[in-house]
Amino acid sequence: AQSVTQPDIHITVSEGASLELRCNYSYGATPYLFWYVQSPGQGLQLLLKYFSGDTLVQGIKGFEAEFKRSQSSFNLRKPSVHWSDAAEYFCAVAGSGTYKYIFGTGTRLKVLA
Amino acid sequence: EAEVAQSPRYKITEKSQAVAFWCDPISGHATLYWYRQILGQGPELLVQFQDESVVDDSQLPKDRFSAERLKGVDSTLKIQPAELGDSAMYLCASSLSFQDRSDEKLFFGSGTQLSVL
Repeated sequence: AQSVTQPDIHITVSEGASLELRCNYSYGATPYLFWYVQSPGQGLQLLLKYFSGDTLVQGIKGFEAEFKRSQSSFNLRKPSVHWSDAAEYFCAVAGSGTYKYIFGTGTRLKVLA
Repeated sequence: EAEVAQSPRYKITEKSQAVAFWCDPISGHATLYWYRQILGQGPELLVQFQDESVVDDSQLPKDRFSAERLKGVDSTLKIQPAELGDSAMYLCASSLSFQDRSDEKLFFGSGTQLSVL
């Protein structure tokens, strides 16, 4: 079955520290992978996506993610977190034959001043 | 930047009542999605439209939920009767149809927060 696992429900980091949010997926075919961010009371905003090619993808707001097929992972990283990055982050997967997105349960990021 | 509009922003209703949510996608977006997001979980697809046609409604509880997009533009999601377990955020999203899916991007509205008492 197709699924996305985000093992960390909550993560707290200090402002200026580095960040890595984990995402593991299960998908039979070639996956399309996404990271979305949701601020309180808001809809989701696309941070970055992987379809093919370079496995290290750059996104908005200084985020990047690396696709590792051997580990079925698509972890999100940022070298230096800002207080405004506090939000909930969702990893999602879709397939080449479908526009149906499967989302993970999310990781809530708290940033300490 | 153009946005996906949703209304109402909040809805409180009693169980067994009918509720309806409205979504106006970004102009020109042929694909429209309704997602349900239960607190502490990720969004779950309820229904997907391509223009006015339903592409996927496999997760829509059809005994109580209905969705329509009559002219292929705005859309309405209805619940009748509402149950306590329907309390959630209902998100609408839209996207262009792309030949090259590497250009694919979903735009989400701010959602309707439903509380069923």
